[in-house]
Amino acid sequence: AQTVTQSQPEMSVQEAETVTLSCTYDTSENNYYLFWYKQPPSRQMILVIRQEAYKQQNATENRFSVNFQKAAKSFSLKISDSQLGDTAMYFCAFMFSPFGTGANSKLTFGKGITLSVRP
Amino acid sequence: KAGVTQTPRYLIKTRGQQVTLSCSPISGHRSVSWYQQTPGQGLQFLFEYFSETQRNKGNFPGRFSGRQFSNSRSEMNVSTLELGDSALYLCASSLGNRIFFQGTDTQYFGPGTRLTVL
Repeated sequence: AQTVTQSQPEMSVQEAETVTLSCTYDTSENNYYLFWYKQPPSRQMILVIRQEAYKQQNATENRFSVNFQKAAKSFSLKISDSQLGDTAMYFCAFMFSPFGTGANSKLTFGKGITLSVRP
Repeated sequence: KAGVTQTPRYLIKTRGQQVTLSCSPISGHRSVSWYQQTPGQGLQFLFEYFSETQRNKGNFPGRFSGRQFSNSRSEMNVSTLELGDSALYLCASSLGNRIFFQGTDTQYFGPGTRLTVL
């Protein structure tokens, strides 16, 4: 079974600063995907970024980038130029990817981290 | 494209009753997954439906069931409600098709249904 750990329950950052959210996971699988989702006070879960485990290059999406360390099973999210709208709960999630045409859509989530951006 | 929609958004029931929640996926998406979110347990996977068949199932009792229709819309049913079933129920849709070495596609979530059991 896979587990996802987010050890920091809360973080705070000044507007325009950079913040890094940590995530570690445990799995015996070799093929998988990792995600960061954002859940603002509206409770709508929004995809922030995704990383394929077979890719060595770290994913980036505008102000969001990840530091994926497969050997260490670490997957941190860096938010640059933090904005007030980044205030939300952030969830790290794991999805096993069966080799070939196997099917799996189960996301395993961490407990989440509450990020507050201060004006 | 319209996003994932869930109805109703809020629901209040009493213990012992049953409830049905509905989810309409993004157009073209054939997979629908359901998750339960509570402060204590966090986000937990309930089940996934693809082409009207349950393809994956989490560790929930049989009181939790679901189905998917030919238009990919999905319903989730909880029978004999318990106080502990109070939660935000999230539905997510994805294309659901797998191709070689791209065995996973991204899930997009709906706004959720907030269920309160009294």
